[in-house]
Amino acid sequence: AQTVTQSQPEMSVQEAETVTLSCTYDTSESDYYLFWYKQPPSRQMILVIRQEAYKQQNATENRFSVNFQKAAKSFSLKISDSQLGDAAMYFCAYRSAAGANSKLTFGKGITLSVRP
Amino acid sequence: DAMVIQNPRYQVTQFGKPVTLSCSQTLNHNVMYWYQQKSSQAPKLLFHYYDKDFNNEADTPDNFQSRRPNTSFCFLDIRSPGLGDAAMYLCATSRDPVLLSDSTDTQYFGPGTRLTVL
Repeated sequence: AQTVTQSQPEMSVQEAETVTLSCTYDTSESDYYLFWYKQPPSRQMILVIRQEAYKQQNATENRFSVNFQKAAKSFSLKISDSQLGDAAMYFCAYRSAAGANSKLTFGKGITLSVRP
Repeated sequence: DAMVIQNPRYQVTQFGKPVTLSCSQTLNHNVMYWYQQKSSQAPKLLFHYYDKDFNNEADTPDNFQSRRPNTSFCFLDIRSPGLGDAAMYLCATSRDPVLLSDSTDTQYFGPGTRLTVL
């Protein structure tokens, strides 16, 4: 079974600075997808960024980018120019690319606070 | 806007009194999911529907049931809620991940229903 580990429960960043959220995972599969989801307080979970394991290039979405290290099974999220609206809980998630299994396996999440 | 809607947003029930949570979607996605999320924890998948095919997670208690009468609606029934069932319940949808090889297999989440059990 796949597992996703987010070892840091909380992080804090100064507004306009850069912060990196770490995530590691364990799998025996070679093809899969990795995601970062954001869940603001009392608001719905939204997708921040997604990475296909077969792609070597790291995904980027505006101020958000990932450092995907397949051999190390590491998938960290970098947030540049942090904004107050980035304060939220962030979940790293894994999905197998095999067959019709669309199940997401989530990490425990990390609470990010942004200091003005 | 196409979206995932959950009603009610807040639900209070009594210990042992059956409760139903609802989810609807305008995305026309054929996969729908129910997650349980307890405070400051990761969402835990309870079950999902692949079209009309029901897929139960092995560790989902029998107390939890689901119905999907059509593509747009999915219900979560808790037959006899216990204090430990108090949580946020999230509904999510996605398109068929087998048929798609691009980002459109992303899961879209509703705002959740917070269940309180007295």
